[in-house]
Amino acid sequence: KAGVTQTPRYLIKTRGQQVTLSCSPISGHRSVSWYQQTPGQGLQFLFEYFSETQRNKGNFPGRFSGRQFSNSRSEMNVSTLELGDSALYLCASSPWAEGNTIYFGEGSWLTVV
Amino acid sequence: AQTVTQSQPEMSVQEAETVTLSCTYDTSESDYYLFWYKQPPSRQMILVIRQEAYKQQNATENRFSVNFQKAAKSFSLKISDSQLGDAAMYFCAYRAPQGGSEKLVFGKGTKLTVNP
Repeated sequence: KAGVTQTPRYLIKTRGQQVTLSCSPISGHRSVSWYQQTPGQGLQFLFEYFSETQRNKGNFPGRFSGRQFSNSRSEMNVSTLELGDSALYLCASSPWAEGNTIYFGEGSWLTVV
Repeated sequence: AQTVTQSQPEMSVQEAETVTLSCTYDTSESDYYLFWYKQPPSRQMILVIRQEAYKQQNATENRFSVNFQKAAKSFSLKISDSQLGDAAMYFCAYRAPQGGSEKLVFGKGTKLTVNP
């Protein structure tokens, strides 16, 4: 069974640009969540989706957005990139069942220059 | 809001010895889930062990075990017979009861070094 797949793995963007990151969950998983990891702030929750609906959102500015498609694949978008957006973005999926385990992808490394 | 604290930024252990990583958390819930994740240099978060708060018995997974003290809100990870492959960042995480969100709240992490 394939794991959580994130693309692209590495990317470099310029300040002011926008970026879209993609996440394919484990087959059968309907819940997808996103986290930002930086050396200073650690791991911070961005948002989570279930059946194409955003169920929860972290404390991030509106420049950060996401969506989930009918096949459970998810994308997150960051507009008007800032240097501080440089981070590892981790996607996680789960089957959304009581006591389930959440599985993570390898992440997308974003560098903003 | 729930918080998770890992008071040891770095720890080191000799190969084949035992090490304990500390984690405390704050919550007003009585039912919740606790996790330890390992993040090796590849950066993929790997689940090490999980604990349901309603279970009094401490979880174990091979060389990994936890000491769950619900009243003290403490959740430490013990690694026995440490191996070189155990070297990684270890994150303690909290998740609220099912029904609302699967959001994980992470601690800042403990970097574990295993010396040969």
